[in-house]
Amino acid sequence: DADVTQTPRNRITKTGKRIMLECSQTKGHDRMYWYRQDPGLGLRLIYYSFDVKDINKGEISDGYSVSRQAQAKFSLSLESAIPNQTALYFCATSDPRDRGRDEQFFGPGTRLTVL
Amino acid sequence: DQQVKQNSPSLSVQEGRISILNCDYTNSMFDYFLWYKKYPAEGPTFLISISSIKDKNEDGRFTVFLNKSAKHLSLHIVPSQPGDSAVYFCAASARGGAQKLVFGQGTRLTINP
Repeated sequence: DADVTQTPRNRITKTGKRIMLECSQTKGHDRMYWYRQDPGLGLRLIYYSFDVKDINKGEISDGYSVSRQAQAKFSLSLESAIPNQTALYFCATSDPRDRGRDEQFFGPGTRLTVL
Repeated sequence: DQQVKQNSPSLSVQEGRISILNCDYTNSMFDYFLWYKKYPAEGPTFLISISSIKDKNEDGRFTVFLNKSAKHLSLHIVPSQPGDSAVYFCAASARGGAQKLVFGQGTRLTINP
């Protein structure tokens, strides 16, 4: 079974709709991250969380919100989706106690299309 | 402002030859660098990393070189195999930076038989 799972894997929605992307992990990591990938821009950090009580904005948080429901669950919401939020979204986890400093473990991604 | 840059969007290499992927960075606070590999429809997976206290790290066919004065790192794959065809991302982090990674744009590597 995958350590980091994301649902849905693909989603098509319309402008103005609210949408939630979910991430679950079984790695037992405290730290979780949301990224978006756009062609030619690599991965950019949207939000990150160190534990259920700690949420931080990343590089491109405008238009997004997050919820850390439990250590294992971190959700990303688009309150009112717009076409330029069409992208590939990745969730990731990390543990500073792991051997590989700063190594993050990624989910399979959610492809979101906003029409 | 792109702090980590991969200036080659794509690279094509013959099977068995060396693949060299390059990455430049601008932030002198970065002290740890990672390479990730990504196949279609999958998330990025960690490949190899290097700390700024080293100038080389090797793991099997993969070697990463770091030139701090030039703010440049490269990933060497020898010999290249068809399964190495993927998108490669360079990433950097700063100590005390909450393990936040800054990614380059990625380079699509194609290994030709």
